[in-house]
Amino acid sequence: AQKVTQAQTEISVVEKEDVTLDCVYETRDTTYYLFWYKQPPSGELVFLIRRNSFDEQNEISGRYSWNFQKSTSSFNFTITASQVVDSAVYFCALSEASNDYKLSFGAGTTVTVRA
Amino acid sequence: GAVVSQHPSWVICKSGTSVKIECRSLDFQATTMFWYRQFPKQSLMLMATSNEGSKATYEQGVEKDKFLINHASLTLSTLTVTSAHPEDSSFYICSAGLTPSYEQYFGPGTRLTVT
Repeated sequence: AQKVTQAQTEISVVEKEDVTLDCVYETRDTTYYLFWYKQPPSGELVFLIRRNSFDEQNEISGRYSWNFQKSTSSFNFTITASQVVDSAVYFCALSEASNDYKLSFGAGTTVTVRA
Repeated sequence: GAVVSQHPSWVICKSGTSVKIECRSLDFQATTMFWYRQFPKQSLMLMATSNEGSKATYEQGVEKDKFLINHASLTLSTLTVTSAHPEDSSFYICSAGLTPSYEQYFGPGTRLTVT
């Protein structure tokens, strides 16, 4: 069963628009970690954020923000005032104690920001 | 800190030959290294987990005799694709962790093309 679901396969926006990427996860663990990674065309994964299951505080980092809601098992990511450089594939991932903290990746969402 | 390198960054080989990919943690000692495979427009799939000095643990469906993993030191793990075939063409990414824990640092990836 898919542990991480990213329902949006592709999103296309015009520069300066906001874009929200959805991530829904499934776990029975009480201790787990959630991640977002960016993969630009070069292929190298860029770490964006890690959140543990005990910290439901939302986070903002520049134009990026994350909304973690355990009640709905969601960890959504918003890019505010998108820029062309934000064009990439974004992956949400789950790491569970019961799975030796191996990373389970979602299918990814391709974001295209048009000038 | 926490830099992981991979060599080579890309390789083209003929069908039937073997290819070795190196993964190094440059500024820390990694007790655990992970190997992922990513086909075009797909997500990362974990192939195996290796701990220094012990045999790798392969995920279901991954042929351990075809994908040989050696983790001889705390800074180096190698993946050898034996008797490569065109269907092995993929993007191979390694990551390194300090313990079998939630923190993984990713290498830049190796693009393998088998002709």
